Amino acid sequence: RKEVEQDPGPFNVPEGATVAFNCTYSNSASQSFFWYRQDCRKEPKLLMSVYSSGNEDGRFTAQLNRASQYISLLIRDSKLSDSATYLCVVNRAAGNKLTFGGGTRVLVKP
Amino acid sequence: DTGVSQDPRHKITKRGQNVTFRCDPISEHNRLYWYRQTLGQGPEFLTYFQNEAQLEKSRLLSDRFSAERPKGSFSTLEIQRTEQGDSAMYLCASSGGGRDAYEQYFGPGTRLTVT
Repeated sequence: RKEVEQDPGPFNVPEGATVAFNCTYSNSASQSFFWYRQDCRKEPKLLMSVYSSGNEDGRFTAQLNRASQYISLLIRDSKLSDSATYLCVVNRAAGNKLTFGGGTRVLVKP
Repeated sequence: DTGVSQDPRHKITKRGQNVTFRCDPISEHNRLYWYRQTLGQGPEFLTYFQNEAQLEKSRLLSDRFSAERPKGSFSTLEIQRTEQGDSAMYLCASSGGGRDAYEQYFGPGTRLTVT
């Protein structure tokens, strides 16, 4: 079993709609959680950190459920430019390695 | 540009040849990481430096791979006797200290093709 698992998608989303997806992690010692965005053939870019209380950044909302060991990302009012692969990432400690899920592909269509 | 830079961006080599990649982290970052990503997968951790000290190495890093960060600034990743299975994107990331240590910033990667 992979340490971080994601639905690979693709999630086909009409422009303006809301899309949400989760990832699960198996290591209960994980301390930090992130969503990275990766465009085709580009490097991953940090989208947002995920805090226990949940956090929002514009149209993006992230939630963490430590009891069930899952993280979610919700995108409201989807834009064509939101089309990308979203990588769920966990970290056991500051300065330590990141463990990535395989990514969830999102395609926003007009 | 003050982000992480990597060189070269693309490398095509024949099986059995040696290759070396370079990474220049964000200047004030003391932590540097190497990852490998194959098509359709998330990046996988290879190794990590704090300043010049190599603190962790993945089992993915066979004895054909070696990484250095001699002065605690730029880093090199060398692959000896390349194999077709080494074809991948090699990503470098860096992070700072304290609370900033949690967030890693990636360079554009070096795409290696072994023929």
